[in-house]
Amino acid sequence: GAGVSQTPSNKVTEKGKYVELRCDPISGHTALYWYRQSLGQGPEFLIYFQGTGAADDSGLPNDRFFAVRPEGSVSTLKIQRTERGDSAVYLCASSPAGTYGYTFGSGTRLTVV
Amino acid sequence: QKEVEQNSGPLSVPEGAIASLNCTYSDRGSQSFFWYRQYSGKSPELIMSIYSNGDKEDGRFTAQLNKASQYVSLLIRDSQPSDSATYLCAVNNDMRFGAGTRLTVKP
Repeated sequence: GAGVSQTPSNKVTEKGKYVELRCDPISGHTALYWYRQSLGQGPEFLIYFQGTGAADDSGLPNDRFFAVRPEGSVSTLKIQRTERGDSAVYLCASSPAGTYGYTFGSGTRLTVV
Repeated sequence: QKEVEQNSGPLSVPEGAIASLNCTYSDRGSQSFFWYRQYSGKSPELIMSIYSNGDKEDGRFTAQLNKASQYVSLLIRDSQPSDSATYLCAVNNDMRFGAGTRLTVKP
């Protein structure tokens, strides 16, 4: 596609539920990043994929968070047993390689009630 | 913990003035540096990248990099109200962002 696509754009879920957030990067971009951003804060790094593998997952806050990119294109961020503190905008970005600037998607606003 | 630090602001300048935004980073081995602009409620948008010491100009924007002092700055000349946004510094080796500096350009 022409840009980075994230779905859904908004997600409201109940505390304790499981959610999946999807990111479809720019075609041909091998690097894919997940960030989350709370109001008034900069993007907080979560995980970085180079191709199918997670090159750096040091930003995942705990084992409730997991992400996959099985075919080196679309990625899914999975959050188990959601907590109210997980509420944020989750941003996905892609890049031709690790040393170029990223193009961000429009984000998924997750609200845990 | 590798860090990227910015003055959170807010920074307010009059229309037509030069806005100066600064960023320092901790990893001396960093090679790639980026400035993003983020309007309220929108995603960050890449506006400048710089890889070598010195200045890089693009229209009204100039990025300045000093690897010895580990800082990168962004100058916006002839600031316009439409430049009002949060400006984020990113250091690619870390894949980390600063907290951002909120700029307001007053007409």
